[in-house]
Amino acid sequence: AQSVSQHNHHVILSEAASLELGCNYSYGGTVNLFWYVQYPGQHLQLLLKYFSGDPLVKGIKGFEAEFIKSKFSFNLRKPSVQWSDTAEYFCAVRANAGKSTFGDGTTLTVKP
Amino acid sequence: EAGVAQSPRYKIIEKRQSVAFWCNPISGHATLYWYQQILGQGPKLLIQFQNNGVVDDSQLPKDRFSAERLKGVDSTLKIQPAKLEDSAVYLCASSLFGGGEYEQYFGPGTRLTVT
Repeated sequence: AQSVSQHNHHVILSEAASLELGCNYSYGGTVNLFWYVQYPGQHLQLLLKYFSGDPLVKGIKGFEAEFIKSKFSFNLRKPSVQWSDTAEYFCAVRANAGKSTFGDGTTLTVKP
Repeated sequence: EAGVAQSPRYKIIEKRQSVAFWCNPISGHATLYWYQQILGQGPKLLIQFQNNGVVDDSQLPKDRFSAERLKGVDSTLKIQPAKLEDSAVYLCASSLFGGGEYEQYFGPGTRLTVT
């Protein structure tokens, strides 16, 4: 069975700081990888996804993630965070047409 | 484009009572998902429909949970009888098709409190 581990439960940063949120998964086969974001009071929405090809994936709002197959990792990065990036971030893995498995999320608080 | 609609948004019931949640997916989306999100955890898939057929219900507690999507459009998730540990947000999502490359669109969720 697949599983997802997000290393940080709560991250606090000041504006303009760089962000990296860790995500590791366990699954032996081909996977699709996702980062979702939930802003306060809003729906869960897709931030970026990896299916194949270039392991460096760019998403909305300046976010990017790098798939490192040898490390089973898909870390999320942003060079300079803004107060509006305060949200909860979820990493998810999906094996082909199988079900999506989500991590337990990381709450990011950006101080102005 | 209208998003995924869910109702009610909030529900408080006592243990052993029954409750039902409704979801209307994005028009034309063949695949519908129900997730349970317990406080402090990520969403956990309960059931996935492709049109009106069940694709995956391996994590649905079938002794108390049931779900249907009779006409392949909207769906209902029921809990009967509810337990304290069912307190969670129930999320509905839909996608054009069921393959991993198709984005899932989530609704606002129904927050259930069982007392």
